Amino acid sequence: IWLTQSPSLVSASTGDRVIITCRLSQVINGYLAWYQQKPGKAPELLIYATSSLQRGVPSRFSGSGSGTDFTLTISGLQSEDFATYYCQQYYNFPWTFGQGTKVEIK
Amino acid sequence: QVTLRESGPALVKPTQTLTLTCTFSGFSFSSTAMRVSWVRQPPGKALEWLALIGWDDDKKYNTSLKTRLTISKDTSKNQVVLTMTNIDPVDTATYYCARALGYCGGGNCYHYMDVWGKGTMVTVSS
Repeated sequence: IWLTQSPSLVSASTGDRVIITCRLSQVINGYLAWYQQKPGKAPELLIYATSSLQRGVPSRFSGSGSGTDFTLTISGLQSEDFATYYCQQYYNFPWTFGQGTKVEIK
Repeated sequence: QVTLRESGPALVKPTQTLTLTCTFSGFSFSSTAMRVSWVRQPPGKALEWLALIGWDDDKKYNTSLKTRLTISKDTSKNQVVLTMTNIDPVDTATYYCARALGYCGGGNCYHYMDVWGKGTMVTVSS
């Protein structure tokens, strides 16, 4: 299953609303996760099952979608949110990731 | 507290076999809900899933690397081991292990990676 994220790069300011899209090559019944990765650090789980917020993750992060199209929304970007974000499907093996979306400071 | 820690050589020569160990704590590997996975990331590139093992020794592999990978577990030591044969410079990457937490329904279980280790950087060079 192929995952295509868009855009690859987002330039945004603190307080902005950022939307990242993940399009899949086939239906995955909602078994999609989103991860945040900061430079030199391991990925951290933000969202699983399309829209379930991982414990401890701020509520400004939200996920939605169905079928083959999914989105991660950051409502009110904070300085600590500048990072790279990956979507990943766990419906079928092999598990696959999107190519990543970097959120940088405008 | 759930933790995972990767260990292994930092430098490997081409054609050798790479052996990485993931030592975990804070959860029991004797549950259908728990699996352990390996993911790698070449410098500046995206994440790539490698392999997964369950408490029942069920194993899954990245299709393109399947002939080179072996995943195994030592439940008594809380360890999962990944071996990769015939190493090449393109295998230079940071290797992560992660707990995969599952939920089951309709006879199927689906696991997502909720806790990751810090990763270990492996360089392949002669």
